[in-house]
Amino acid sequence: DQQVKQNSPSLSVQEGRISILNCDYTNSMFDYFLWYKKYPAEGPTFLISISSIKDKNEDGRFTVFLNKSAKHLSLHIVPSQPGDSAVYFCAARGLNTNAGKSTFGDGTTLTVKP
Amino acid sequence: DTAVSQTPKYLVTQMGNDKSIKCEQNLGHDTMYWYKQDSKKFLKIMFSYNNKELIINETVPNRFSPKSPDKAHLNLHINSLELGDSAVYFCASSPKRAVGTGELFFGEGSRLTVL
Repeated sequence: DQQVKQNSPSLSVQEGRISILNCDYTNSMFDYFLWYKKYPAEGPTFLISISSIKDKNEDGRFTVFLNKSAKHLSLHIVPSQPGDSAVYFCAARGLNTNAGKSTFGDGTTLTVKP
Repeated sequence: DTAVSQTPKYLVTQMGNDKSIKCEQNLGHDTMYWYKQDSKKFLKIMFSYNNKELIINETVPNRFSPKSPDKAHLNLHINSLELGDSAVYFCASSPKRAVGTGELFFGEGSRLTVL
């Protein structure tokens, strides 16, 4: 039962353009969402998060949008840089849930071409 | 200066063997975790300890036994290894129980291959 889905296994964009990574969830109890970035041979690192009381959170080039009614979130990277090439995981959990209980998607591999 | 470190990074072994993976964090966090990333790339929680106390124990074969000698260390011992245990195992930590907002800090992963 995949409660968090990232339907695009891969995405390729040109440097300087926008990257949009999508994530869908099914559990209406989820109210805290995170994006992690993972380089090869490294562990995931936290990128940005959003709670369900917001519909947008921005941090530099990274913006996460949350559409609760559609149970959908997206990560926008503008402008994309070659160093952004990595696997991006979205994760979701309840705010009153231990961080370890986060449910992860299976990742989207982003390639940013120079 | 690595925040969450795991050893070994790569482990190749035969079916039936027993092996251990060690994890240490120098972030001063109270809570540590073991995750398994299977062939389908999903990260799934296995165990979590908060200050040496087991707080999460997912449906994992009892061949897997975590041990936390102190809050900075969480080791994973696997008995009678099976082919299906081949995966990347990630250790992670977080401040306290990290309920509410808060993220996980992951180690680099340990790739276990069972032949």
